[in-house]
Amino acid sequence: GAVVSQHPSRVICKSGTSVKIECRSLDFQATTMFWYRQFPKQSLMLMATSNEGSKATYEQGVEKDKFLINHASLTLSTLTVTSAHPEDSSFYICSARDPLTGQGSYEQYFGPGTRLTVT
Amino acid sequence: GEDVEQSLFLSVREGDSSVINCTYTDSSSTYLYWYKQEPGAGLQLLTYIFSNMDMKQDQRLTVLLNKKDKHLSLRIADTQTGDSAIYFCAESRGTDKLIFGTGTRLQVFP
Repeated sequence: GAVVSQHPSRVICKSGTSVKIECRSLDFQATTMFWYRQFPKQSLMLMATSNEGSKATYEQGVEKDKFLINHASLTLSTLTVTSAHPEDSSFYICSARDPLTGQGSYEQYFGPGTRLTVT
Repeated sequence: GEDVEQSLFLSVREGDSSVINCTYTDSSSTYLYWYKQEPGAGLQLLTYIFSNMDMKQDQRLTVLLNKKDKHLSLRIADTQTGDSAIYFCAESRGTDKLIFGTGTRLQVFP
């Protein structure tokens, strides 16, 4: 089946620094990737939709200048949290759509997540 | 609205059946999904149902959809300790965007 990886799995950074999270589709080409944020014991909140070769579409309330998304190739999307603050600490999960396969027309394959802790 | 609601917690004995419920508000939903999340991990798609279906069975999993009441359920037969996880329902409305439910934590005890 389709596999999505994320790197790093865990990261700790200091306030004010930036951190980059990578999301890769390993065995398929993903024209569309998604970035979610999950707070402890809560649901997933869609942050943005990342389209290869074009600008990301951000959900309402998500600061595009703070959460920079780049989807430079069909297998890689990156999320950079700029000038991180403790309130940015969260579990970030990416997903990707394989347009050629999938059980449902809009099925998304999820990465294992990245836990970000800002101190 | 976009609310997709689930009960927060379910505890069942190993070998019993588990039923996880989900209610949604948008009648234009096209596909409805059930995902499983184990601790510290991403989401695994378990099954899905198209909105013009009432039921779908896949091995130990049975999905029931009541479109009139906007109610979705996931039944896990012969629940095992490995089924302990958080289960999310999600809906799509003909676009890429998924709306996730609040998640139900299933605990299976011996």
